[in-house]
Amino acid sequence: QSVLTQPPSMSAAPGQKVTISCSGSSSNIANNFVSWYQQLPGTAPKLLIYDNNKRPSGIPDRFSGSKSGTSATLGITGLQTGDEADYYCGTWDTSLSAGVFGGGTKLTVL
Amino acid sequence: QVQLVESGGNVVQPGRSLRLSCAASGFSFNDYAFHWVRQAPGKGLEWVAVISYDGSDKYYADSVKGRFTISRDNSKNTLSLQVNSLRVEDTAVYYCARAFVVGATNFDYWGQGTLVTVSS
Repeated sequence: QSVLTQPPSMSAAPGQKVTISCSGSSSNIANNFVSWYQQLPGTAPKLLIYDNNKRPSGIPDRFSGSKSGTSATLGITGLQTGDEADYYCGTWDTSLSAGVFGGGTKLTVL
Repeated sequence: QVQLVESGGNVVQPGRSLRLSCAASGFSFNDYAFHWVRQAPGKGLEWVAVISYDGSDKYYADSVKGRFTISRDNSKNTLSLQVNSLRVEDTAVYYCARAFVVGATNFDYWGQGTLVTVSS
């Protein structure tokens, strides 16, 4: 059971928008920065969003992040077939003194 | 360019040990904290351990505390994970990942991973 809660799967059509939620608590999301990762099959995760809403160089602005209280959200607009992947949220948990991830969301673009 | 290359994964019996390594290049190694993250086959990401830029701070997941030891050699730009008393549930791809500080999970670079299989 993951410390952070994500929906196991989501689907949307090409061109549409999707939002993936990540729910935590006061010891993690509420008081620490949230990151989001994209993992394509057979590859290492890739940083999409850091510090709640910042994009690393090279990440298109179709990807966005936000945080409110104990929840965070990843938004993807203009969905493409290449966006089919597993998406994970992550943050630090101050009470555990440990990194924590969500269980991952498998995004299908159909 | 930034590179992280893991090695040391293998097939081992329960109770045995392994030493995983992560060789870094292309950046100033001792400016960063490093984490180990693992992923069991078909499962999600699991955070394992972190070490600060100078090795003075280390934290572990409860599932590995007392069995795994993270260390670094800043003179050799190398991160290590000593994994002892291995269990079947430790079977996973182990990734090293770079972050700015211990309490941050903004892993901007990851290695390709090394597979540890624990089986009798």
